[in-house]
Amino acid sequence: AIRMTQSPSSFSASTGDRVTITCRASQGISSYLAWYQQKPGKAPKLLIYAASTLQSGVPSRFSGSGSGTDFTLTISCLQSEDFATYYCQQYYSYPPAFGGGTKVEIK
Amino acid sequence: EVQLVESGGGLVQPGGSLRLSCAASGFTFSSYWMSWVRQAPGKGLEWVANIKQDGSEKYYVDSVKGRFTISRDNAKNSLYLQMNSLRAEDTAVYYCGGGSYLFPMFWGQGTLVTVSS
Repeated sequence: AIRMTQSPSSFSASTGDRVTITCRASQGISSYLAWYQQKPGKAPKLLIYAASTLQSGVPSRFSGSGSGTDFTLTISCLQSEDFATYYCQQYYSYPPAFGGGTKVEIK
Repeated sequence: EVQLVESGGGLVQPGGSLRLSCAASGFTFSSYWMSWVRQAPGKGLEWVANIKQDGSEKYYVDSVKGRFTISRDNAKNSLYLQMNSLRAEDTAVYYCGGGSYLFPMFWGQGTLVTVSS
C-alpha cells in the first residue's frame, strides 16, 4: 500500500502569511493527489484534485503543485478562516490513502 | 444543494453489528461512485470502502474486509454500510462521501460509532 507523509504535522502562522504544506508519497502517484481542509467537528472539504486543479468555489489563494512523489499545498495569503487541518490523499491505487494531516494554528 | 446525511451510529459492544445509512439529495445519486471514510477520535482520515454507480464493483480497506459490506439503493438515493464483528478499533466518526471514483468531492456531516463494553 502507498503511504502518504505530510510535513510539518503542525505549525503556527499569522494572518497574511504565505504558507506551504508538503506531502510525500512512498511511491510515484503521477498527479493523482487531492487536498482537503477540515475544521474541528466538521467534515473535510475538497480543495484541490489532480494535484493542482482547484475545486469549484475554493478561493484562488489556495494552490497545489507537484507530481510523482512530492507535492505541495500553498496558501498565498492566510486568512482567519484558513486555520484548520489539511490532509493530502492519493488516489492512484487501492487503497486510497490519506496523509497524517497538518494543523495550521494561529500564532 | 448537495446534501448527504448519515445516520445509524451509536454505542455497540465488541462483536456486535451496526448498519449505517447515508441519505443523498441535491444531485443525481445514481451517477456517482460513493465512499465511506472514517476518523477515529483525534486521529486522521481513513478510507473504508467505495461502490460503483450500479453497485457492480465494491472495494474495501484490508482491515474491514469480510466484516463490513457497502451497498446502495439508487431508487432510494441511499448508501449503506453494514458493519459486523465490530472491534474497539472501529470506533470513529463515519463519513459518507461522493463524487469521484476514489476521492470524495462532497461529504456528509458524519455519524459516530463507538465500540465499547
